[in-house]
Amino acid sequence: DAGITQSPRHKVTETGTPVTLRCHQTENHRYMYWYRQDPGHGLRLIHYSYGVKDTDKGEVSDGYSVSRSKTEDFLLTLESATSSQTSVYFCAISESGGPEQFFGPGTRLTVL
Amino acid sequence: AQTVTQSQPEMSVQEAETVTLSCTYDTSESDYYLFWYKQPPSRQMILVIRQEAYKQQNATENRFSVNFQKAAKSFSLKISDSQLGDAAMYFCAYRSGETSGSRLTFGEGTQLTVNP
Repeated sequence: DAGITQSPRHKVTETGTPVTLRCHQTENHRYMYWYRQDPGHGLRLIHYSYGVKDTDKGEVSDGYSVSRSKTEDFLLTLESATSSQTSVYFCAISESGGPEQFFGPGTRLTVL
Repeated sequence: AQTVTQSQPEMSVQEAETVTLSCTYDTSESDYYLFWYKQPPSRQMILVIRQEAYKQQNATENRFSVNFQKAAKSFSLKISDSQLGDAAMYFCAYRSGETSGSRLTFGEGTQLTVNP
């Protein structure tokens, strides 16, 4: 299994509070991704990174920001959480030459 | 933009039988990859099988095989000799081959139940 961890694994928060999710990899892969999973939508890309300090938006990026200061860490921040951001969040990684993406265990976030 | 459609929200199969999950996609690209991922109740996303668009031969991994019809833009997954551990949500996914590190585009998923 690819060495990917996510923290926290579960979080309950209140509307309007900031939330940061962390993805950590031990594979030294160049690309990292944040997806959210909602019923009826599969997984949708929020943001991705193609290197340290290099990030770009995905299809559902509104309300989210990311940072990558080290190869191994990719942070997803909800500046002011809303109930519509209640979801399961997955981090994924891929290496430069390969098409596969490998996923972390996911974080279930509930915004009350 | 690419789209992926899984028209079967739910499927069921008897243990030891064969089941086929459907997936269609839309793209104007000629270089791409297709995947099937399995998501059991543990929530972990597990890569089941991968198909390169330039390969005519259908991919096979043990009991899992695909029927890749490029002209029809169809990519179905066949599970043979179904086992109770195959029960899961299955996602079809597309990835462009034209840009390194491209994102995955997922279908909505098919929930597979395996009956003993």
